[in-house]
Amino acid sequence: GAVVSQHPSRVICKSGTSVKIECRSLDFQATTMFWYRQFPKQSLMLMATSNEGSKATYEQGVEKDKFLINHASLTLSTLTVTSAHPEDSSFYICSAGRVAQGPDTQYFGPGTRLTVL
Amino acid sequence: AQSVTQLDSQVPVFEEAPVELRCNYSSSVSVYLFWYVQYPNQGLQLLLKYLSGSTLVKGINGFEAEFNKSQTSFHLRKPSVHISDTAEYFCAVRSSNTGKLIFGQGTTLQVKP
Repeated sequence: GAVVSQHPSRVICKSGTSVKIECRSLDFQATTMFWYRQFPKQSLMLMATSNEGSKATYEQGVEKDKFLINHASLTLSTLTVTSAHPEDSSFYICSAGRVAQGPDTQYFGPGTRLTVL
Repeated sequence: AQSVTQLDSQVPVFEEAPVELRCNYSSSVSVYLFWYVQYPNQGLQLLLKYLSGSTLVKGINGFEAEFNKSQTSFHLRKPSVHISDTAEYFCAVRSSNTGKLIFGQGTTLQVKP
């Protein structure tokens, strides 16, 4: 099956700093990547959809300037949490898919736990 | 717009007993339906999916689900659970005209010895 990795798996940072999370599709080319946020004991909330080579599409209520998404290649998307604050602490999960090739080709990464002190 | 409701937030069950996790959805367009499992501090693993065709779909780890269009449901079942099935289960819907997955609130399956 297709493998998606995320790096780092855990990160702790100080309030006011920026954190970059990488999402890579290891054995396939991902035309679309999705970023989700999950609070403890809650469901996944879609933050944004990114297509390779174009700007990300953010969901309503998600700050574009706060959560910078870059999808520079077919195997890599990055999420940068800028000027992080404790309320940004969460579990961030990416998924990668080849949407044009069918509705079931979306594969999830293992997640990144961000803790902002 | 699509939405997904998982009717039970927690389901405790004894080992080797059958289990059903309920999921209802709403959508004005045709959808694809998924069940995912999440173990602690991990990402999501696809259990099974309904795209078209037979309404009874079988997945990994002995799970199956039945798509019921008239009741807009996609309940997950397993005839005999194991301790290792203890996890969070998410039902998700994906519309046929977008690539977005909309998740339900999740159901915690707790299998007791």
